Amino acid sequence: EPEVTQTPSHQVTQMGQEVILRCVPISNHLYFYWYRQILGQKVEFLVSFYNNEISEKSEIFDDQFSVERPDGSNFTLKIRSTKLEDSAMYFCASRTSGGLMGEQYFGPGTRLTVT
Amino acid sequence: AQSVTQLDSHVSVSEGTPVLLRCNYSSSYSPSLFWYVQHPNKGLQLLLKYTSAATLVKGINGFEAEFKKSETSFHLTKPSAHMSDAAEYFCVVITSGTYKYIFGTGTRLKVLA
Repeated sequence: EPEVTQTPSHQVTQMGQEVILRCVPISNHLYFYWYRQILGQKVEFLVSFYNNEISEKSEIFDDQFSVERPDGSNFTLKIRSTKLEDSAMYFCASRTSGGLMGEQYFGPGTRLTVT
Repeated sequence: AQSVTQLDSHVSVSEGTPVLLRCNYSSSYSPSLFWYVQHPNKGLQLLLKYTSAATLVKGINGFEAEFKKSETSFHLTKPSAHMSDAAEYFCVVITSGTYKYIFGTGTRLKVLA
């Protein structure tokens, strides 16, 4: 069964460094998402991406964040200058079309630790 | 705006007894609702979804949920808990437009031997 994959599974970085989190969505999916989950808290929406552009972003997704689909298969989240509070689990998700009925398929997550 | 409220942050049950995890929703239109499970250090797995077909939805691992419009609820149940059910459970509503998910705060289920 097709699945969403994410790399790396765990990333440790120093404050102020740039990180790129990578995701490979399911191949025929059209909508892509990033969410994050700070330890012990709920999962929060960061950004949605459709037709090669951001369709919606949350207030968390400030100028330090960017997303890209560079080659038609990968979907990346870049944090330009990490802060301690960026430490979280980051989940990528994708879905095909299907309006309100289509569920999102989640990757296993990347745990980002900023020291 | 759409939202979901999970009424219990922690639920403990004995193995073999029923499970009830409560979720209430708020939506300006007929919602699509989901339950996801997250085992420790794992990703999010879909348990079941409601998309305006049958109000009683059956999912994986013996879980089911009933959509009650009059009560704006979508509670998750299982007749008999198993040790492997111990996990965090999230109720989710999907929004129109970009179809992003709005997550509840989660309910941690503990199953006692």
